[in-house]
Amino acid sequence: QKEVEQNSGPLSVPEGAIASLNCTYSDRVSQSFFWYRQYSGKSPELIMSIYSNGDKEDGRFTAQLNKASQYVSLLIRDSQPSDSATYLCAVNIGTAGNKLTFGGGTRVLVKP
Amino acid sequence: NAGVTQTPKFRILKIGQSMTLQCTQDMNHNYMYWYRQDPGMGLKLIYYSVGAGITDKGEVPNGYNVSRSTTEDFPLRLELAAPSQTSVYFCASRVERGEQFFGPGTRLTVL
Repeated sequence: QKEVEQNSGPLSVPEGAIASLNCTYSDRVSQSFFWYRQYSGKSPELIMSIYSNGDKEDGRFTAQLNKASQYVSLLIRDSQPSDSATYLCAVNIGTAGNKLTFGGGTRVLVKP
Repeated sequence: NAGVTQTPKFRILKIGQSMTLQCTQDMNHNYMYWYRQDPGMGLKLIYYSVGAGITDKGEVPNGYNVSRSTTEDFPLRLELAAPSQTSVYFCASRVERGEQFFGPGTRLTVL
């Protein structure tokens, strides 16, 4: 079992709809969780960070964390063609703060 | 702040040549990382450092070396370049348990 798992997609979403991305992780004591967006040929950029159970909203993005079930999700509301990218889930596995473990990424395609 | 900067942006090497990829950050982050990303694939950690003078291997360290003499700089050295090292290389930095910031990447081709 991989430490951080994501569905590779592609996740095809009509413009204006909600895109829902999921990520599961292996270590129950992990404490820091991040979502990155990566456009083709570019470096990953941080969208959201979440540290506590529940929801965290930032504009059209909502991150949801459930530590008991060991998953973190990202919702993109009112999806736009510019949201078409690969979304990477990253987890600070365990209690050591020294490195993030990245999932393989979910490719999202927003169709006009 | 410039954030994380990387040089060069692009480089073509011949098999057997060596080179150093430069990475500098101006955010006073203790933690720095080198990743490679092959086309259509995820990030693979090569080496990381938790502070000046301290480095450790990631999941794909073979063929690479690093050093960390200052907080700001974390160069990645490729010795005896091979076609399998053709990839995009990203440097990143962060504070402990914090957000990680990436540089713009170096696209390396080994022919």
